[in-house]
Amino acid sequence: DVKVTQSSRYLVKRTGEKVFLECVQDMDHENMFWYRQDPGLGLRLIYFSYDVKMKEKGDIPEGYSVSREKKERFSLILESASTNQTSMYLCASSSATAHNSPLHFGNGTRLTVT
Amino acid sequence: GQNIDQPTEMTATEGAIVQINCTYQTSGFNGLFWYQQHAGEAPTFLSYNVLDGLEEKGRFSSFLSRSKGYSYLLLKELQMKDSASYLCAVMDSNYQLIWGAGTKLIIKP
Repeated sequence: DVKVTQSSRYLVKRTGEKVFLECVQDMDHENMFWYRQDPGLGLRLIYFSYDVKMKEKGDIPEGYSVSREKKERFSLILESASTNQTSMYLCASSSATAHNSPLHFGNGTRLTVT
Repeated sequence: GQNIDQPTEMTATEGAIVQINCTYQTSGFNGLFWYQQHAGEAPTFLSYNVLDGLEEKGRFSSFLSRSKGYSYLLLKELQMKDSASYLCAVMDSNYQLIWGAGTKLIIKP
């Protein structure tokens, strides 16, 4: 079974702090993604990566950066957290073998910025 | 713009059948996905449709009409554990996923 593990289920940070969200997958997937999930909205893509050291901006990259130094790990960084970044963050991975490969999600990190 | 519409919430009775609709307008089409998400948990993959018609998988079936920009997820013999949100997502011409806001399904005994 594919496992995508996010390091924290809940985080509380102060405005202006630098925040690191970590995600690790154990199925040797090439593709990794960071989404945020807010009530009443569909999942919104922040950043994605199709290979080590490669990153692409999604729909809402402002205020975020990412790092993929190893294939299994994809980190999301909030350079200076703001209250509007309070949200549920979901990491996902998928195989690159086919475009319709399903996403495998982690359980999410609920981040509160005060 | 690109848009996916689903009902916000639906209620159904244990043992019954429910149909969750999804309509879409996207730049191109490379398939439609349904995911299930229990409260506080990760979304999990249910189905993928790229051709018109009905795909059956146990108690769950998914239907697609590309000409109408329409899909539905059909759940039969509802169980309490089917209480969850159901997310519709369309893969556009750039192979990017566009997500609906999800339908929260409440099952009553």
